[in-house]
Amino acid sequence: GAVVSQHPSWVICKSGTSVKIECRSLDFQATTMFWYRQFPKQSLMLMATSNEGSKATYEQGVEKDKFLINHASLTLSTLTVTSAHPEDSSFYICSAQGLAGKYEQYFGPGTRLTVT
Amino acid sequence: GENVEQHPSTLSVQEGDSAVIKCTYSDSASNYFPWYKQELGKGPQLIIDIRSNVGEKKDQRIAVTLNKTAKHFSLHITETQPEDSAVYFCASGYGNNRLAFGKGNQVVVIP
Repeated sequence: GAVVSQHPSWVICKSGTSVKIECRSLDFQATTMFWYRQFPKQSLMLMATSNEGSKATYEQGVEKDKFLINHASLTLSTLTVTSAHPEDSSFYICSAQGLAGKYEQYFGPGTRLTVT
Repeated sequence: GENVEQHPSTLSVQEGDSAVIKCTYSDSASNYFPWYKQELGKGPQLIIDIRSNVGEKKDQRIAVTLNKTAKHFSLHITETQPEDSAVYFCASGYGNNRLAFGKGNQVVVIP
C-alpha cells in the first residue's frame, strides 16, 4: 500500500520552455501533497504544500509564478516549471499524505529535470 | 521551526555488523519521527517510524529508539547487508502535518 508515482522519471528541456511533472497516489487518497527539490548529496528542500481544491502554500524563497502547482483531485498533483532555466535543473520529488495531521508522507520516485 | 541534526554524515560498516545513526531534534512538541532510505536516483522510502508514546519499535533487522527527554532518536540496523547501502534520512513531524529532515547519512556496507 501507499504507492506514489511520478511522471516523467526524467526530462530534458530547452531554456525558456515549460515542463509539467505529475504526482499520483495510486492506492490511497491524498489530502495533502508536498513538492520537494533535492540537489546532489543534499537533503530534501520543501518547495510547497498543496491541498486538494485549494491554492498551494509556497515556502519562503520559492517563486510561485515559476513553480505552478495544481492539486485537482485527491490522487493527482502537478508541478509546472515555467520558463525553465539551467539553474532549475534538479531532482524534484513529490510526497503524498493520506490523513491531515497524521504526518506520514509517502514519496514518489522523483523526476530528474535537466534544462539545456 | 523544528531543527533536526543527524550524525554521523557517513558510516561504513562490515557486512554482518550493526549500524546506528542518531538524530536530535529541537521542538519538544514533536511527536512523530520517521526514517527514510534513499537509494541513488530514487525517492525516499519510509522504512520505520515511531511516535512519542513509545520508546522503541522493531521491524525485522531495523529498529528505532526514542528518548524524548534528551530529544534524540536513533536508527539501528542489525546484520547489515550490501543492499542496506543507501542514504538514510531522519525526520521530525512538526506543525500541522510537516516533516523537518536531517541532512542525511550515507551508509556503506562493505562486503
